[in-house]
Amino acid sequence: DQQVKQNSPSLSVQEGRISILNCDYTNSMFDYFLWYKKYPAEGPTFLISISSIKDKNEDGRFTVFLNKSAKHLSLHIVPSQPGDSAVYFCAASAGGQNFVFGPGTRLSVLP
Amino acid sequence: DTGVSQDPRHKITKRGQNVTFRCDPISEHNRLYWYRQTLGQGPEFLTYFQNEAQLEKSRLLSDRFSAERPKGSFSTLEIQRTEQGDSAMYLCASSYRKGPAGEKLFFGSGTQLSVL
Repeated sequence: DQQVKQNSPSLSVQEGRISILNCDYTNSMFDYFLWYKKYPAEGPTFLISISSIKDKNEDGRFTVFLNKSAKHLSLHIVPSQPGDSAVYFCAASAGGQNFVFGPGTRLSVLP
Repeated sequence: DTGVSQDPRHKITKRGQNVTFRCDPISEHNRLYWYRQTLGQGPEFLTYFQNEAQLEKSRLLSDRFSAERPKGSFSTLEIQRTEQGDSAMYLCASSYRKGPAGEKLFFGSGTQLSVL
């Protein structure tokens, strides 16, 4: 029973263009969401978060959008850079409990 | 702030042996989490502590797994009678939680376990 889904295992984008990574969840009790980036042989690194009271949060090149009615969130990276090539994980939490992670999407930014 | 430290980075063991991993969180963080990750999957929750109290343990977690966080500082994760299916990256994360929002997990580099 996968509560957090990332249905695209991989994504390739040209440098300078927009990268859009998607995440869907099934648990309506989730009220806080995070995105992480992971390079090989390293632990995940925090990117950006959003609370369910918001529908958008922006930090530099990264913007996260939340659609609660669709139980869907997306991470936009603009402009994409080769250093953004990594695996991206979506994670969700309900009421301050543990975080549930999705399976990840591997982003490749092509020069 | 030296980040979250995990030891060892790699562990190779034979099936049936016991292994123990250590995690040192960021010093002012009150929460500590253990996750497990296999190839092509996201981190899978194992257990977490707030200070020294173990607040939640995954229902899927075998009783061969035990974790402690004495005095609310470092934590250890022990796996008894290891099986080949235990081979994975074991990740530790810490956070400071003071209210209902804004918690961020800071991960260590993980311990890669290989059970032969």
